[in-house]
Amino acid sequence: QSALTQPPSASGSPGQSVTISCTGTSSDVGGYDYVSWYQEHPGKAPKLMIYEVSKRPSGVPDRFSGSKSDNTASLTVAGLQAEDEADYYCSSYANSNSVVFGGGTKLTVL
Amino acid sequence: EVQLVESGGGLVQPGGSLRLSCAASGFTFSNYAMNWVRQTPGKGLEWVSGLSSGGSNTLYADSVKGRFTISRDNSKNTLYLQMDSLRADDTAVYYCAKDLRSGPRGGFDYWGQGTLVTVSS
Repeated sequence: QSALTQPPSASGSPGQSVTISCTGTSSDVGGYDYVSWYQEHPGKAPKLMIYEVSKRPSGVPDRFSGSKSDNTASLTVAGLQAEDEADYYCSSYANSNSVVFGGGTKLTVL
Repeated sequence: EVQLVESGGGLVQPGGSLRLSCAASGFTFSNYAMNWVRQTPGKGLEWVSGLSSGGSNTLYADSVKGRFTISRDNSKNTLYLQMDSLRADDTAVYYCAKDLRSGPRGGFDYWGQGTLVTVSS
């Protein structure tokens, strides 16, 4: 049950696009389409932004999109806005009958 | 409106026990898997345990296997986490999280506000 690998930080200017990667193995990210992404603002509970690799829950702006290639999943935020500044975490179901999170990426809107 | 309200956190000595509860409302509790996720202050999220909608399938992180027990009472719409043999590195905010599906697969669409567990002498 090793944590998924995310870059510790990412940044972009308002209106730009930014992509956050999430690298695992064939036992988790590469083996299942159960990759999720969460947004966490300070002092708040995490919010589901993407599930099953690329699906958006109701109410999540379509500026947020997800994809996967082999053992790496990605979250893209297009048209960056100030309120997008937050920590982002990926997670995946794993064949050890568990769920594993990434270490988190702090997104800064410049 | 979906609500998840955790309780039972507090200060406990190393080796001690604590039982967390999560009271759910606003959805058909018995239809969904439920999970516990923890977060060390200032650090990342760690999935702890998951339980299928009917209670037959339990999943645990290696770090808590054999020490923590997840359970649910669908008649009371409540999820539990019994934590035994607590260690200092179990100190964290513990969140209750609803799964999108009946089996725990990740994809947690609702979260509680968390309850703080501190393990210290």
